[in-house]
Amino acid sequence: DTAVSQTPKYLVTQMGNDKSIKCEQNLGHDTMYWYKQDSKKFLKIMFSYNNKELIINETVPNRFSPKSPDKAHLNLHINSLELGDSAVYFCASSQADRGQFFGPGTRLTVL
Amino acid sequence: TQLLEQSPQFLSIQEGENLTVYCNSSSVFSSLQWYRQEPGEGPVLLVTVVTGGEVKKLKRLTFQFGDARKDSSLHITAAQPGDTGLYLCAGRLTTDSWGKFQFGAGTQVVVTP
Repeated sequence: DTAVSQTPKYLVTQMGNDKSIKCEQNLGHDTMYWYKQDSKKFLKIMFSYNNKELIINETVPNRFSPKSPDKAHLNLHINSLELGDSAVYFCASSQADRGQFFGPGTRLTVL
Repeated sequence: TQLLEQSPQFLSIQEGENLTVYCNSSSVFSSLQWYRQEPGEGPVLLVTVVTGGEVKKLKRLTFQFGDARKDSSLHITAAQPGDTGLYLCAGRLTTDSWGKFQFGAGTQVVVTP
């Protein structure tokens, strides 16, 4: 059983397009996250939701919009994609301070 | 500015050798985690430490949380090729909102047979 799953695994698209990434966790965790990992492998938090409520919103362009329909799902929609958005995006979940469980990542390439 | 500094950035050793990776900060953390990430995959949680001075062992891996909860170390005994990966430390500041974790830049470890 996959604990945290993301779709798609790979996403190749043209500049200016709109795309979505979906995430689901079956661990029963209350908190979910979106991270961006750049080419130097640094993980930067973008958003976090706790029980469907947005609790962390870092300095991210408003072209990025998260949505949590329920506490097991956290989706990320990106409008007007730019070259600099190319990266690997990870979804994660956690319960309290016990550490996070990450999905396999979505490699986004903007051409 | 990164709050968690990892050292070294890169470590290449032979199978059977020991290694230590450090994670340092001038800030106090309520908890600290270590992860290992392999190419094309997400980070995998290895351990969480919460008490100053705490030592946890996971087979050949030993994790230590500093007494002041500002630093941590990961020691691997008799490294094997399967230990190869990017090791990341992460933690939540005592002053941060619940759920926000700070990450270090990672230490790339390569163990050759």
